[in-house]
Amino acid sequence: DARVTQTPRHKVTEMGQEVTMRCQPILGHNTVFWYRQTMMQGLELLAYFRNRAPLDDSGMPKDRFSAEMPDATLATLKIQPSEPRDSAVYFCASGLLVGSGNQPQHFGDGTRLSIL
Amino acid sequence: GNSVTQMEGPVTLSEEAFLTINCTYTATGYPSLFWYVQYPGEGLQLLLKATKADDKGSNKGFEATYRKETTSFHLEKGSVQVSDSAVYFCALSDSQGGSEKLVFGKGTKLTVNP
Repeated sequence: DARVTQTPRHKVTEMGQEVTMRCQPILGHNTVFWYRQTMMQGLELLAYFRNRAPLDDSGMPKDRFSAEMPDATLATLKIQPSEPRDSAVYFCASGLLVGSGNQPQHFGDGTRLSIL
Repeated sequence: GNSVTQMEGPVTLSEEAFLTINCTYTATGYPSLFWYVQYPGEGLQLLLKATKADDKGSNKGFEATYRKETTSFHLEKGSVQVSDSAVYFCALSDSQGGSEKLVFGKGTKLTVNP
């Protein structure tokens, strides 16, 4: 089965360091989402792209977070500088939007980030 | 804005018990509704979906019916197994502007004991 691949699976670093999380969407999918999961807030949408163009990043702290899609096979989420409150599991999901069809999103296994 | 409210857990059941996890939603327009399941250490997996009123989604013995009159999409299973222990998320698609964003509930943790 095709899968969304996220790297790294785990990351522990000190506050102030730059963190880069990577996602390889399923081949052929045209929409990529970044979510953050915490116990307190649950699942929050940070940003999403369609055909590599950012459509909505209103859920993302702009001063420290950035999301890009350098090409169709790679999405990145960067935090600079990182803070302890950024500790969470970050999920990437991809999907295929064709016309007005409601295609399900496929999730990766997440990056578990701990900022000390 | 659109929102999803699902029953708070955790829910603990014995094997072969009947399961219901309640989910209600608030939305403009006609959203699609989903149940996702998350096993420990993994990402979310689509369990079932319904795209219009009165549709019933079903998979692996789970089912949920899209009830527009009560704005609900309750998840049910007649006989749970230990392997069903996971966190279950109800979600709706926010299709305004064709965005296809998902709005999730907080999740309900289910533990099934032998």
